[in-house]
Amino acid sequence: DIQMTQSPSTLSAFVGDRVTITCRASQSIIRWLAWYQQKPGKAPKLLIYKASSLESGVPSRFSGSGSGTEFTLTISSLQPDDFANYYCQQYNSFPWTFGQGTKVEIK
Amino acid sequence: QVTLRESGPALVKPTQTLTLTCTFSGFSLTTSEMCVSWIRQPPGKALEWLARIDSDDSKYYTTSLMTRLTISKDTSKNQVLLTMTNMDPVDTATYYCARIAGCGSGDYYFDYWGQGTLVTVSS
Repeated sequence: DIQMTQSPSTLSAFVGDRVTITCRASQSIIRWLAWYQQKPGKAPKLLIYKASSLESGVPSRFSGSGSGTEFTLTISSLQPDDFANYYCQQYNSFPWTFGQGTKVEIK
Repeated sequence: QVTLRESGPALVKPTQTLTLTCTFSGFSLTTSEMCVSWIRQPPGKALEWLARIDSDDSKYYTTSLMTRLTISKDTSKNQVLLTMTNMDPVDTATYYCARIAGCGSGDYYFDYWGQGTLVTVSS
């Protein structure tokens, strides 16, 4: 199975900060990676697919980059609504796997 | 609009079989671009992909649970079912169903999710 490792596990930031979350795959997943945002008690919400494609309706302050084994999710200017958990997911090969999550907290 | 809704028992005893139903609307599982997956999330933990079913009835399972899972569909009712045998307390989790609209092109991300249903395994 491909292991997905996110860093950091927790991130404290101010509103307006630029925030970057990293996701590393244990082997190449080319660009078959998605990012999701999850708020407490809610289902995950798709943000980014194919490493860098922004899902329709998602604010442009979210962006994704990377290929192979290293990927990043960037929030250019953190907004109050962005405090949540974020997960990466690889869909290059079965079984599809998720990272352990990154919690973005208010500083 | 696309919606998915999970239903099933909230409480299951150890060794019992769990059956969950995903009822969806706004798309059809008869087109090759669409498929549906089940994902679960234990309380306070990460997401875990469980299974996928395609329009042609192809089925895929996570390796660690393959012997316990069965996914099926009823296209006339717009439903996807998941059964999990021999339930254990470690299977306590919120179970989600989710749509994949890129099955025909290999873009297997989950674009729509149900609200999830919490299943507790306890005697």
